[in-house]
Amino acid sequence: GAGVSQSPSNKVTEKGKDVELRCDPISGHTALYWYRQSLGQGLEFLIYFQGNSAPDKSGLPSDRFSAERTGGSVSTLTIQRTQQEDSAVYLCASSARIAGIDNEQFFGPGTRLTVL
Amino acid sequence: GNSVTQMEGPVTLSEEAFLTINCTYTATGYPSLFWYVQYPGEGLQLLLKATKADDKGSNKGFEATYRKETTSFHLEKGSVQVSDSAVYFCALSEGNYGQNFVFGPGTRLSVLP
Repeated sequence: GAGVSQSPSNKVTEKGKDVELRCDPISGHTALYWYRQSLGQGLEFLIYFQGNSAPDKSGLPSDRFSAERTGGSVSTLTIQRTQQEDSAVYLCASSARIAGIDNEQFFGPGTRLTVL
Repeated sequence: GNSVTQMEGPVTLSEEAFLTINCTYTATGYPSLFWYVQYPGEGLQLLLKATKADDKGSNKGFEATYRKETTSFHLEKGSVQVSDSAVYFCALSEGNYGQNFVFGPGTRLSVLP
């Protein structure tokens, strides 16, 4: 499809294990974002990639969280040594950059992470 | 820093009722304003937007007007349907970079038949 896709849609893991979440942005979108949405809460910004520039990691909650974006397209969010408080829906979004401005964001369906 | 405030939910209405979801913002400059909607089990979708003062965004019967004097962007619909049940997020973006997007906490709307 032409939209943002994420995998897996659901992930259940045990406390202390590492997890990887994947995001495929819309083709041609240079900006990619990761957000966390906890139960009943709004969106918490995690990280922003724009083209080949260094990512803005200011929203990552701890050094257990990291993300990379290979070839300016697919991104992987990795959470090491997961904790129960990491349980949330992780949303990925992408946007086009036109005339030097990031346009509206298009969101994927999210990955629901449950840490037991 | 920039911020967005929305009315507390949940909001429960009967079908065909009038809807208002209040949104106010704080920004240092002249942001673009957005409403996103999240239907059950789905990701966020852009509902409407306005990029400058007095602009009105509209889509699917929903409207919101960018009011600079009151720093507001209230969402309205004249007659809601059961299918409008979702969580609605007000957001702003200022400057050229998307990481400056700020989302409100969301307002859950339930429409009863």
